[in-house]
This record gives sequence, C-alpha cells and structure tokens, in this order.
Amino acid sequence: KNQVEQSPQSLIILEGKNCTLQCNYTVSPFSNLRWYKQDTGRGPVSLTIMTFSENTKSNGRYTATLDADTKQSSLHITASQLSDSASYICVASDRGSTLGRLYFGRGTQLTVWP
Amino acid sequence: EADIYQTPRYLVIGTGKKITLECSQTMGHDKMYWYQQDPGMELHLIHYSYGVNSTEKGDLSSESTVSRIRTEHFPLTLESARPSHTSQYLCASSDPGPNSYEQYFGPGTRLTVT
Repeated sequence: KNQVEQSPQSLIILEGKNCTLQCNYTVSPFSNLRWYKQDTGRGPVSLTIMTFSENTKSNGRYTATLDADTKQSSLHITASQLSDSASYICVASDRGSTLGRLYFGRGTQLTVWP
Repeated sequence: EADIYQTPRYLVIGTGKKITLECSQTMGHDKMYWYQQDPGMELHLIHYSYGVNSTEKGDLSSESTVSRIRTEHFPLTLESARPSHTSQYLCASSDPGPNSYEQYFGPGTRLTVT
C-alpha cells in the first residue's frame, strides 16, 4: 500500500534553533518527493521538489534530503523564525499514471517560540 | 504566490442546503484538483480534471460533484449538505509545462454543516 509517514507529529522549538523533520514513504513506482508548508487555515505552499535522482535541495533556510534507496526524506530548518510555525507536509508522487498521483503525509506541526 | 482563488473562505450552512464552492485560476493550467482535509489529517483527492469537459473521481469517495466548462473555473457542488461534509476543501492546479510536478493550492474553504 502506498503511504507516507512523518515524524514527529508535533515539535516545539525556540526561535533561532535548528530542527529536522522526518518522512518515510512506500510509494512505488516512485517519481518525486515534495515538502509543503501549510499555515493554519491556508493552502499548502511548495518548499522543495526532488526527483528520485536528486538527494538534496535547498530553498533559503530549508534544506531537504532524499535517500531513494531507504525511501526516506528529511527537511532541515536552519535558524528558525516565528513565521516558520506551520504544518510541514511530506508528499510522494508515483509515476504509474499520467496524473502523477500524490500521497500525502499527515504533517509535522512545528511551533516556534520566542 | 500562485494565482488560484477559492470562495467563500468560510461557510456555515444548515443540513439539506445546496452549496457550491468556487475555484478559479488565472495561470492557464489544464489540470485542476479538489482535496478534502480534516484537522490533523492528510489531504485526500476527491476530484480532478485534465481539462475542459474532463472530470474524474479521486481516491476518496465523495457525494460532491464538479464541472469544468472553462479552463479557469472548477466549481464543486454539494446537492444536500450533511454534517459529515464538514471539512476543509482545497483546490489546486498544475502546470502542463516543465514544472508539471508542481501543484499550486488555493487558500481553501472551511465548510461547517450544522
């Protein structure tokens, strides 16, 4: 069964600290791995997209890694800011159809305290 | 920021009413999607469209219906709302070009059926 598991479910850190969010997926055949940021009451916004041939991608203070062999990904946030408080969603896509079906994790709820 | 819009943002309505959630995008994207998301849970695809006059049901069974008469417009309709329809509904579209992996989400409609 294709699925995406994220950990931790929630995380609280102090402003300025770094953190790493984890994602394990079992989607096959695998196409790409995405990380989205979703603010409360808003739609998800894309942070990074990595194909199976890429193992790292950065977007400002966000760095995502991908290990296609172990089917694991991580999102590292550097020097956290209050505005980083949000849900971070890991999404894996298959290449079994023209739709490129997306499989969503439940997200990690990050809270940054001052 | 993607040019994809949803109205209303919030809707509280009584059981049995007919409702239409609006979604429009100005990017000329052919593919559009509707997702349903409950608090703390993953997004579930309920409808998608490859283009005008094309609509398909997604992974999650839904009593809602959709139409795609114009490229930019993808409304979702519930003929008779029930409390079980209470949820957040997110519309998205994707680029047919080189960035076809990317899905752009609207801000969502929070529906409450009393």
